[in-house]
Amino acid sequence: EIVLTQSPGTLSLSPGERATLSCRASQSVTSSFLAWFQQKPGQAPRLLIYGASSRATGLPDRFSGSGSGTDFTLTISRLEPEDFAVYYCQQYGSSPHSFGQGTKLEIK
Amino acid sequence: EVQLVESGGVVVQPGGSLRLSCAASGFTFDDYTMHWVRQAPGKGLEWVSLISWEGGTRYYADSVKGRFTISRDNSKNSLYLQMNSLRTEDTALYYCAKEVAGTLGYWGQGTLVTVSS
Repeated sequence: EIVLTQSPGTLSLSPGERATLSCRASQSVTSSFLAWFQQKPGQAPRLLIYGASSRATGLPDRFSGSGSGTDFTLTISRLEPEDFAVYYCQQYGSSPHSFGQGTKLEIK
Repeated sequence: EVQLVESGGVVVQPGGSLRLSCAASGFTFDDYTMHWVRQAPGKGLEWVSLISWEGGTRYYADSVKGRFTISRDNSKNSLYLQMNSLRTEDTALYYCAKEVAGTLGYWGQGTLVTVSS
């Protein structure tokens, strides 16, 4: 099983700042089958990024994903108030399709 | 519009059984692989299982293998999760999700399963 480790656990930033979230895999993720999700309180998760760097339909271009192999990054270029949430990475290249433990992005 | 509506979550005793359902609409159900994902209260996401469009491929998380069974009825646009030998650690909000580009593109709002004596 591929274990995904996200860092930091909590990120405290202000609106307008840049956010960089990391996801590291215990072994190489097949074909960069790595996704990022956003979850707000009381809501279901929302797909942001798939294939490590492809944006989901309608996602603002301030969100970007990068990386390959074992190291992946989600970057939010300029934080908007609605971006403060919990973010999860997930690998879907091999079963089980494991998630990271999440990064909470909070307002500073 | 894609809609996924889960149902069947209740309070059940340890060792008990339960079947969850997910009613799908707004897309051609039998074209897509479907998934179950769960989230324990206040915790992160845990992928549970997937089933291919025709039901021929099924995968499970190690934590549920041998106890849970995923199935689908394409004639009813429905996905199911049969849960046996339930444990307290199975307590969670269970989401069904439609696969898009290999991952979880659309999610329902979840159904709560509580395993408690």
